[in-house]
Amino acid sequence: DAMVIQNPRYQVTQFGKPVTLSCSQTLNHNVMYWYQQKSSQAPKLLFHYYDKDFNNEADTPDNFQSRRPNTSFCFLDIRSPGLGDAAMYLCATSRGAGSNEKLFFGSGTQLSVL
Amino acid sequence: KNEVEQSPQNLTAQEGEFITINCSYSVGISALHWLQQHPGGGIVSLFMLSSGKKKHGRLIATINIQEKHSSLHITASHPRDSAVYICAVSVRNNDMRFGAGTRLTVKP
Repeated sequence: DAMVIQNPRYQVTQFGKPVTLSCSQTLNHNVMYWYQQKSSQAPKLLFHYYDKDFNNEADTPDNFQSRRPNTSFCFLDIRSPGLGDAAMYLCATSRGAGSNEKLFFGSGTQLSVL
Repeated sequence: KNEVEQSPQNLTAQEGEFITINCSYSVGISALHWLQQHPGGGIVSLFMLSSGKKKHGRLIATINIQEKHSSLHITASHPRDSAVYICAVSVRNNDMRFGAGTRLTVKP
C-alpha cells in the first residue's frame, strides 16, 4: 500500500493560474518535504515542515507556498505558475529530522504549464 | 562542480550483466542514499548507509568514507532494473544533496 500519496499524478495548468498539489502520508512521520525536479536534473528541495514548523530554502521563489494543516497532509501552492515551473514535484517524508533518517517518496506530480 | 558526482551518466547493459554505478562526493556527510526513479516519477529509497556495505537481493551498495566514494552494484541485471539511479548525501539535518542520476537501460 502506498505510504506517501500524491495527487494528482499529472496536472496541467495555465500560465498564471494558481495550482495546488497535494501530498498525504500514512506513516505518521514528523517531517514532510517538497522537491522540484526538472527534466534530467537532480531533485531540488523547496521547503520542509518539521511538524508545524515551516522551513523555506533560501532560493525557493516566493511564488511557491506550502500548507500543512495536519500531520497527514501537506500542500504545495504555486500562486502564479510560469513556464519555468513545469517540473515533477516530489513529496517525501521522514520520521525525524536527523541526517540519518530515511526518506520515503511519493510517486510525484508532473506539472505542465501551458 | 557539483558536490555529488555520479558516473556514468548513462549506462546500457545486456540482461544478466553485472552493473556498477559510482558516486563521489566532496562534502562531509552523515549518510549516503541510493535512490531509484522509474520513468514517470516515483522515487524509491534503495539503501541508506554510512559505512561498509549493504545488500538487498541483487543490489549491493558500498561506501568508503575516507575516499568519499560509494558504488551501487546490480548483479544479474534484468530489464526491470531500467531506471534512473540517484546518489544523495545527507549533509546535516534535512539537508540532502543529490547527484544528477545515472540512467540505466537493461536490454533483454
